[in-house]
Amino acid sequence: GAVVSQHPSRVICKSGTSVKIECRSLDFQATTMFWYRQFPKQSLMLMATSNEGSKATYEQGVEKDKFLINHASLTLSTLTVTSAHPEDSSFYICSAGPKETQYFGPGTRLLVL
Amino acid sequence: SQQGEEDPQALSIQEGENATMNCSYKTSINNLQWYRQNSGRGLVHLILIRSNEREKHSGRLRVTLDTSKKSSSLLITASRAADTASYFCATGLDQTGANNLFFGTGTRLTVIP
Repeated sequence: GAVVSQHPSRVICKSGTSVKIECRSLDFQATTMFWYRQFPKQSLMLMATSNEGSKATYEQGVEKDKFLINHASLTLSTLTVTSAHPEDSSFYICSAGPKETQYFGPGTRLLVL
Repeated sequence: SQQGEEDPQALSIQEGENATMNCSYKTSINNLQWYRQNSGRGLVHLILIRSNEREKHSGRLRVTLDTSKKSSSLLITASRAADTASYFCATGLDQTGANNLFFGTGTRLTVIP
């Protein structure tokens, strides 16, 4: 099946710093990618839809200035958590797919100290 | 919220038994999908059922969909220890083909060898 990669898999940072997470579709082009956040023992919550060549669409309650999304090519979307705080610590997962079935990246675990 | 609910939240069974998980959702859907997540890792797509379908099979998996009740069930037959994971239903809402998904709360399945 299709493969989606994420980098880094784990990151620890100090409060106030910015962290960039990359999501790549390795064997197909993705005009749309999705970013999810998952807190421990909870479900995935859709944060935003990343659109190649245009602005991302954010779900209600997600701050666009805090979670910057860039989808500069058909195989790469980046999520930047700006001025990270401990409450931003979470598991961030991206997905993409040529059809309704989504292929999920392995996730990035962010810990903000 | 468009997030669905799953029950039970946790299920523990003996190897060889069948496991049934239920999912309820709130809005009209285009499709419903089931995903599996091993602890702290990415998601794996299991099966997709469209809104005009009532039942679907894939190996040891059987999924039903009742759009009048806005509910779905996932049955895993002859369970194995390797089936231990969290299982999520996810609804695809958009008729235009957008692939963003809204996830249920998940069922944590433990299969005891």
